Amino acid sequence: QQPVQSPQAVILREGEDAVINCSSSKALYSVHWYRQKHGEAPVFLMILLKGGEQKGHEKISASFNEKKQQSSLYLTASQLSYSGTYFCGTSQSNFGNEKLTFGTGTRLTIIP
Amino acid sequence: EAQVTQNPRYLITVTGKKLTVTCSQNMNHEYMSWYRQDPGLGLRQIYYSMNVEVTDKGDVPEGYKVSRKEKRNFPLILESPSPNQTSLYFCASSYIGRTRETQYFGPGTRLLVL
Repeated sequence: QQPVQSPQAVILREGEDAVINCSSSKALYSVHWYRQKHGEAPVFLMILLKGGEQKGHEKISASFNEKKQQSSLYLTASQLSYSGTYFCGTSQSNFGNEKLTFGTGTRLTIIP
Repeated sequence: EAQVTQNPRYLITVTGKKLTVTCSQNMNHEYMSWYRQDPGLGLRQIYYSMNVEVTDKGDVPEGYKVSRKEKRNFPLILESPSPNQTSLYFCASSYIGRTRETQYFGPGTRLLVL
């Protein structure tokens, strides 16, 4: 079952902040975040493992709430280059089963 | 340069004509996977492989076959393509392990089945 992402789409002005959520009904071991620009392949942003850790990547960070089986991606002071579709991918196993299930994506548009 | 390559990038075919989309990676990754991407449905996993001769079904394997005879190659085979297999296909690869390394995606293959 695919994780549920919200919102489906968001439009922001440059400099504003955004939060993208990813929720699963199943117990997760890891959550992966990718960004895809139009016509291009998805590009890895970060991975979060079971344990509730938070990771950062420049002005983009993420958290993983194990109790809620939910991850949130935070984009701070958004830049035009942040535009694209963001996907979360979830995995239930730490080893041996490498099935990664992606959400349907959140389209982020940054306007000047 | 570390990369995942796919061929062809674009393909138009007719229903029932067998085709193969090749995928190759030069990073010595154990894990390889195929996804299809359709509007509103995101990325859905078709098949994946943990290593040579080890493959398993993803979420949407019907109508597809794969093989992993060499570590670097993971071709996707459509024995009898149908219009509902019209899609954008991505191959991806990564190392495997507890930290579940990042997946590197190929550039994509856009397939149209008439």
